[in-house]
Amino acid sequence: ETGVTQTPRHLVMGMTNKKSLKCEQHLGHNAMYWYKQSAKKPLELMFVYSLEERVENNSVPSRFSPECPNSSHLFLHLHTLQPEDSALYLCASSQGDRSPLHFGNGTRLTVT
Amino acid sequence: AQSVTQLGSHVSVSEGALVLLRCNYSSSVPPYLFWYVQYPNQGLQLLLKYTSAATLVKGINGFEAEFKKSETSFHLTKPSAHMSDAAEYFCAASSGGSYIPTFGRGTSLIVHP
Repeated sequence: ETGVTQTPRHLVMGMTNKKSLKCEQHLGHNAMYWYKQSAKKPLELMFVYSLEERVENNSVPSRFSPECPNSSHLFLHLHTLQPEDSALYLCASSQGDRSPLHFGNGTRLTVT
Repeated sequence: AQSVTQLGSHVSVSEGALVLLRCNYSSSVPPYLFWYVQYPNQGLQLLLKYTSAATLVKGINGFEAEFKKSETSFHLTKPSAHMSDAAEYFCAASSGGSYIPTFGRGTSLIVHP
């Protein structure tokens, strides 16, 4: 398997649930990213990990908690979300300075 | 700070017509530049990238882009639009010393039969 794989593809959760999004990259890259994509809004960078160390946390609410246990895996733990958190969550990876990003197909999250 | 501007949130063309999607960057030092395409319910996919080797860059699916330093532009073109080109297109820039790109807001390309 190659590329960047995200699971699940779709997720519906209530505001009191706890769930996790998973991302796995098979490209040997050393940086991983979480983006949020909402309708009619620009891409929002949420978190960046380089060599498993968080290097960017873009003022994201604490109800989103990232985890990067190794350079191939990235998680986004979700708890007590709000309806406005409904969006497409994209994971990406890259190989260092000024390299292009490789994206997964995203998780479509709906918060009810 | 780096910024990327894509003029026009929507561009509509007829099948077979020229496609022109505009992108301007703000940087005193030319960055690396990228165009991505996003089809419905998918992630972004790299179309092409400029890394200072050549000013005219050819990408996948017949697209190309020309880097013009004097205009700080990196517009995307395709001579003849196909229905399958309908998608969202994003321009992005990365500056030296950073692996966090700056994305434009995206342009939705609509192709009419």
